[in-house]
Amino acid sequence: EPEVTQTPSHQVTQMGQEVILRCVPISNHLYFYWYRQILGQKVEFLVSFYNNEISEKSEIFDDQFSVERPDGSNFTLKIRSTKLEDSAMYFCASSELAGFQTQYFGPGTRLLVL
Amino acid sequence: GQQVMQIPQYQHVQEGEDFTTYCNSSTTLSNIQWYKQRPGGHPVFLIQLVKSGEVKKQKRLTFQFGEAKKNSSLHITATQTTDVGTYFCAGGPNFGNEKLTFGTGTRLTIIP
Repeated sequence: EPEVTQTPSHQVTQMGQEVILRCVPISNHLYFYWYRQILGQKVEFLVSFYNNEISEKSEIFDDQFSVERPDGSNFTLKIRSTKLEDSAMYFCASSELAGFQTQYFGPGTRLLVL
Repeated sequence: GQQVMQIPQYQHVQEGEDFTTYCNSSTTLSNIQWYKQRPGGHPVFLIQLVKSGEVKKQKRLTFQFGEAKKNSSLHITATQTTDVGTYFCAGGPNFGNEKLTFGTGTRLTIIP
């Protein structure tokens, strides 16, 4: 069964450093998403992406964040200057279409900012 | 903004007992989705409800969407140890809007 993959599984970085989290969505899916989950808390929507542009973003997704689909398979989340409060699990998800569509989540990248 | 709350936050049940989690949204939803997250895992889609008053069943799991499309529930009959995890509801505000607002989650633990 096709699945969303994410790399790395864990990332430790110093405050102020840039990080890039990578995702490979399911191949025939057109919509891509990033979510984050601070330890022990709920899953929070960050951004959705379709047709090479952002379609929705949350208040969390400020100028420090950016997303990109650099080629036909990868979908990346960049955090330009990490803060301590960026420490969380970051999940990528994809869906075939928008609207009432199932979103398939990847295994996540655990980011720790020191 | 839209808020989605779930109760209870935690539930400990004896194996074989039933379990219910309730989900309430501050605004009307176009659809509600339920996800299960095992400890250390990622959210896994369980089901989606679209119609007012809709009830769907998956083996021992029963999902309901309220008449006003602002609340939902998940009921598990005769829990098993494999049911352990956190159950999240997630609401979509408008058709075509991909932003899912996740509920606060209910963490289920099973006492063997």
